[in-house]
Amino acid sequence: EPEVTQTPSHQVTQMGQEVILRCVPISNHLYFYWYRQILGQKVEFLVSFYNNEISEKSEIFDDQFSVERPDGSNFTLKIRSTKLEDSAMYFCASGGASGANTEAFFGQGTRLTVV
Amino acid sequence: ELKVEQNPLFLSMQEGKNYTIYCNYSTTSDRLYWYRQDPGKSLESLFVLLSNGAVKQEGRLMASLDTKARLSTLHITAAVHDLSATYFCAVDGMEYGNKLVFGAGTILRVKS
Repeated sequence: EPEVTQTPSHQVTQMGQEVILRCVPISNHLYFYWYRQILGQKVEFLVSFYNNEISEKSEIFDDQFSVERPDGSNFTLKIRSTKLEDSAMYFCASGGASGANTEAFFGQGTRLTVV
Repeated sequence: ELKVEQNPLFLSMQEGKNYTIYCNYSTTSDRLYWYRQDPGKSLESLFVLLSNGAVKQEGRLMASLDTKARLSTLHITAAVHDLSATYFCAVDGMEYGNKLVFGAGTILRVKS
């Protein structure tokens, strides 16, 4: 069964460093998302991406964050100058194989720990 | 703005008992989802509810949707320890860009 895969599963980084979180969406999906879950809290939307551009972003997704689909298969989230409060689980999701109004499927997540 | 509220936020129950988790949302949406999350793990999709009156069941879990009341319920029948997890409801809709808006989650602990 096709699935969304994320790498790495766990990333530890020094405060101030840049990290890139990687996702391989399901191959025929057109819509891509990043969500964040701070430990013990709810899942929050960060950004959606369609047709090689951001379609929507939340207030959390400020200039520190960027997304890219560099090669037609990967979908990356870059976090520049990481802060302690960026520590969270980051989930990638993809959907929309048959149009915008279809269910999104989640990857297993990347746990980011900023020290 | 689309808001989703779940209650209770924490539920401790004995094995064999029944209970219901409630999910209210603030405006119209296209779909309502229920997810299960085990500690440190990803989100496992349990149910997708699309229309008013929709009811879906899987094992000891049953989800229903009342779009007029903007309410979904997740009913647990004869709970077993393996159901211990955090349960999230979430809604989306084309007018919200298809992003999911999640509730705060309900931590369920089933005691033997």
